[in-house]
Amino acid sequence: DAKTTQPTSMDCAEGRAANLPCNHSTISGNEYVYWYRQIHSQGPQYIIHGLKNNETNEMASLIITEDRKSSTLILPHATLRDTAVYYCIVRFGNEKLTFGTGTRLTIIP
Amino acid sequence: SAVISQKPSRDICQRGTSLTIQCQVDSQVTMMFWYRQQPGQSLTLIATANQGSEATYESGFVIDKFPISRPNLTFSTLTVSNMSPEDSSIYLCSVEMTRNFPDTQYFGPGTRLTVL
Repeated sequence: DAKTTQPTSMDCAEGRAANLPCNHSTISGNEYVYWYRQIHSQGPQYIIHGLKNNETNEMASLIITEDRKSSTLILPHATLRDTAVYYCIVRFGNEKLTFGTGTRLTIIP
Repeated sequence: SAVISQKPSRDICQRGTSLTIQCQVDSQVTMMFWYRQQPGQSLTLIATANQGSEATYESGFVIDKFPISRPNLTFSTLTVSNMSPEDSSIYLCSVEMTRNFPDTQYFGPGTRLTVL
């Protein structure tokens, strides 16, 4: 079973920040939060991961709450190419990735 | 990261036949995995491809149906045997570069299989 809960779908206006929430209330101390996205039947693309500190890279920012029970992926300036299914995954060590149903993000022109 | 290619990118096959999918990585990797994504569904891990030994299969997947080879650190194949329309899916190869903690998995572009 996936250890995360995400909204089924979201819309965001082009050029605005897209904020994708994820609940992982049963996360344990050593589990990381990973984000991937899948653009229309392509292979999933790694975005970012974090443990407890906020993380930022060239694609996105990851904000993890202090109690680590939820997180938000932020795409700062969404473009049409960011339309995809976004998966939030909790993972311990090198255990297998378990994909849930994700959030279908649609960027609206 | 790694550049991962898969062949074929798509195929249409007749039931009862078999198809072998190839996964090639541009650098040596520690771990290679095979996933299936059925239409409208999320990804499901089929097996871990082990170099020099038998693959490790997840519950619900068996070697007779999905034989896997991994002759070296950059290449693996997945065969879908005795296909039926229920095998119509996207098959994805993924890799991990190291066994460091935490490591990141990278995915190939996928092979879209349609079984008639």
